[in-house]
Amino acid sequence: GAGVSQSPSNKVTEKGKDVELRCDPISGHTALYWYRQSLGQGLEFLIYFQGNSAPDKSGLPSDRFSAERTGGSVSTLTIQRTQQEDSAVYLCASSPKGSTEAFFGQGTRLTVV
Amino acid sequence: GENVEQHPSTLSVQEGDSAVIKCTYSDSASNYFPWYKQELGKRPQLIIDIRSNVGEKKDQRIAVTLNKTAKHFSLHITETQPEDSAVYFCAAHRGSTLGRLYFGRGTQLTVWP
Repeated sequence: GAGVSQSPSNKVTEKGKDVELRCDPISGHTALYWYRQSLGQGLEFLIYFQGNSAPDKSGLPSDRFSAERTGGSVSTLTIQRTQQEDSAVYLCASSPKGSTEAFFGQGTRLTVV
Repeated sequence: GENVEQHPSTLSVQEGDSAVIKCTYSDSASNYFPWYKQELGKRPQLIIDIRSNVGEKKDQRIAVTLNKTAKHFSLHITETQPEDSAVYFCAAHRGSTLGRLYFGRGTQLTVWP
């Protein structure tokens, strides 16, 4: 079946512009994560959605970052007024109810020039 | 929250040798410990996991051990092959559907032929 889908796969934007990154989780998965991975670095947690619970936003690096999850499915990560240090691969993952295994998407490579 | 430490950050071994990656965690309530493998340019994927009710789990050349008292767990790869070269991430989870995964910073494993 279809895995976690992220779009776009690559995004180049000018410094100061806003960007939206999209994640389509596996159908029926209740948990959704966003992570950021800079070149050669680890997985930096950004935000976690679980069902109808309030999201865990503790990893968002600044108020320029926000995310929403509509209808418990698709999620959008928005970065306002992008900076060069925002350049990274943004990974989305989802987990089914009752399971802790995270299924990752291929990521969106964001380059801020 | 949970804090997961992972060592070493890089590891080089000769083909056929064994490789060991170690992680420690801080939250005694964590009871699920997965390991993810990320090959170059690809998404992280689950390779093995262990729950706190067992001390060791094996899957062919891969094994994971868990010491709950000391709050550490390790990944063991025997008879390493060049295709084992990747970044490996450990993680910890409370096992509740409301909790999230906490990842270590990753280990870059290189297996030389």
